[in-house]
Amino acid sequence: SAVISQKPSRDICQRGTSLTIQCQVDSQVTMMFWYRQQPGQSLTLIATANQGSEATYESGFVIDKFPISRPNLTFSTLTVSNMSPEDSSIYLCSVAKYVFRDRGRGSYGYTFGSGTRLTVV
Amino acid sequence: TQLLEQSPQFLSIQEGENLTVYCNSSSVFSSLQWYRQEPGEGPVLLVTVVTGGEVKKLKRLTFQFGDARKDSSLHITAAQPGDTGLYLCAGARGAGGTSYGKLTFGQGTILTVHP
Repeated sequence: SAVISQKPSRDICQRGTSLTIQCQVDSQVTMMFWYRQQPGQSLTLIATANQGSEATYESGFVIDKFPISRPNLTFSTLTVSNMSPEDSSIYLCSVAKYVFRDRGRGSYGYTFGSGTRLTVV
Repeated sequence: TQLLEQSPQFLSIQEGENLTVYCNSSSVFSSLQWYRQEPGEGPVLLVTVVTGGEVKKLKRLTFQFGDARKDSSLHITAAQPGDTGLYLCAGARGAGGTSYGKLTFGQGTILTVHP
């Protein structure tokens, strides 16, 4: 499975500023995803960032607020713009790699970064 | 919108007890995955099930995928304090459609095992 390095691991930011989160993968992957998670709760998908195409955003998330870059197959960034306290959360990146199993069938295997805990004050 | 209903949301048990977590959906998934997450870390994959009726065992953990590939369960035998964490189920869609490759997560189960 892929190994992901996500930075920063945590940050405390002033409202109105922006923070860029980086994800570096140790191998080339086509599919990359960005999630948001409140502590102890489930993950909410923000956007899908496949290399070679524009990021696609889920309902409730817009590019102006969460611009994403995907310059190559091993790297992506998510920016949280014009932050407010409501943006305080854990942000995670994830990649998907297809895994072939027995009898020629397979499925996607997903790996997650360790997350960025963001606090906006 | 595909939904995965995960239950229970909270589980607090004594060491040595057994427990089962359920994930149910009205939609079919090409695969279903179970993750365990500890504070300050990302979710770590425990198992992927892809075939209806499939049962996988990982030491004291038993995972089952429903025959219709709409539901799954995680059973832990003789729980230990080290099992404490957030457990998440997630379903993946198959080829075709705009949801290809995306995971749909259940609400999560916070498990606490007391010594």
